Amino acid sequence: AQKITQTQPGMFVQEKEAVTLDCTYDTSDPSYGLFWYKQPSSGEMIFLIYQGSYDQQNATEGRYSLNFQKARKSANLVISASQLGDSAMYFCAMRVRTGNQFYFGTGTSLTVIP
Amino acid sequence: GAGVSQTPSNKVTEKGKYVELRCDPISGHTALYWYRQSLGQGPEFLIYFQGTGAADDSGLPNDRFFAVRPEGSVSTLKIQRTERGDSAVYLCASSRDRSNSPLHFGNGTRLTVT
Repeated sequence: AQKITQTQPGMFVQEKEAVTLDCTYDTSDPSYGLFWYKQPSSGEMIFLIYQGSYDQQNATEGRYSLNFQKARKSANLVISASQLGDSAMYFCAMRVRTGNQFYFGTGTSLTVIP
Repeated sequence: GAGVSQTPSNKVTEKGKYVELRCDPISGHTALYWYRQSLGQGPEFLIYFQGTGAADDSGLPNDRFFAVRPEGSVSTLKIQRTERGDSAVYLCASSRDRSNSPLHFGNGTRLTVT
């Protein structure tokens, strides 16, 4: 079975600081993709970053980077230079090659403090 | 270009009534997903379409829920004999259906069953 675990229900970060949001996953499929989404209070789900299981380097997209540790089955999101607009729910998700679903974690609520 | 469009944005119905939720995916996206999100939770998979056919409906909670995508584009999620427990935000997403393709979500339909 596939599973995503996000153990931080809520996180706080000072504006302009970096923050790491944790995500661990469980699958027996050797081929999978990991995704992070942002959901502001307005409700839309916004795709942030993708990491493939065979990618050799950690993914980066602007201020977002993914700290991928395959042996530990973790895919933590790092947001650098936090901004007030980063306050939102963040969801980690996984899709395995042999399946159709995207499996989501329960999310982490990030609050950026001015 | 246009994103995923969901209508209505809000729907209030009485227990026992029938409802239809509509999703218009991004043009050219062959894969379409329906998810349900309850307050404080991550999205929960309902059904996946590849083209016109429901390739995976394993997430539908019971036979009151049904979805169609007759021409491989617009999809309708149908809920019969609604119950208060069906109240949630119903999210539709589409993708190019490649392993590294992210889901692109609509803004959701907030269903409230009174």
